[in-house]
Amino acid sequence: DAMVIQNPRYQVTQFGKPVTLSCSQTLNHNVMYWYQQKSSQAPKLLFHYYDKDFNNEADTPDNFQSRRPNTSFCFLDIRSPGLGDAAMYLCATSGGDGGPTDTQYFGPGTRLTVL
Amino acid sequence: AQKVTQAQTEISVVEKEDVTLDCVYETRDTTYYLFWYKQPPSGELVFLIRRNSFDEQNEISGRYSWNFQKSTSSFNFTITASQVVDSAVYFCALSEGYSTLTFGKGTMLLVSP
Repeated sequence: DAMVIQNPRYQVTQFGKPVTLSCSQTLNHNVMYWYQQKSSQAPKLLFHYYDKDFNNEADTPDNFQSRRPNTSFCFLDIRSPGLGDAAMYLCATSGGDGGPTDTQYFGPGTRLTVL
Repeated sequence: AQKVTQAQTEISVVEKEDVTLDCVYETRDTTYYLFWYKQPPSGELVFLIRRNSFDEQNEISGRYSWNFQKSTSSFNFTITASQVVDSAVYFCALSEGYSTLTFGKGTMLLVSP
């Protein structure tokens, strides 16, 4: 049974056209994370929510926004995608407080292509 | 400074060979956690193991084993009798303080028949 679900799995958008990626979870976890992973690189944390508290990484571009309307869903909005934003976007969840003891469980990712 | 080093970028083995993936970490905290994740070609990061800094006991799970040595700041991962399905990128990661995961750059393992 899928626990962290990401839709769509593949997304193609045009340069500058806003796009929204979706993540949902059936684990009832407190924390949800968004990572960006470019080819042959490690995942890079963009931001995370602890419940409704939003935590943005210092180097996350303003072009990236997130929404968490409820426990189960979290969205990544890219307001004006550039060619450099083409990547795999991974959603993860954890059941603690986002601290070091948490184990993060990842979804299958959404591969974003920017034309 | 890089906190998690996976010096092996890519490893190629033939099926049934044993293979060890190296992970060296750096931290000033006495309490920290180490993780291994597997990322197959499908893209999903699959959690394999979490180890806290106070538990140096080695762990075995089927064909997988982990060797944690605080004296050398290493948390190595061995696959015994490798199989083609083990082909993936493997990430070692560190969690400390009130920070989220710091990943190494990953090691791509290719197991050929």
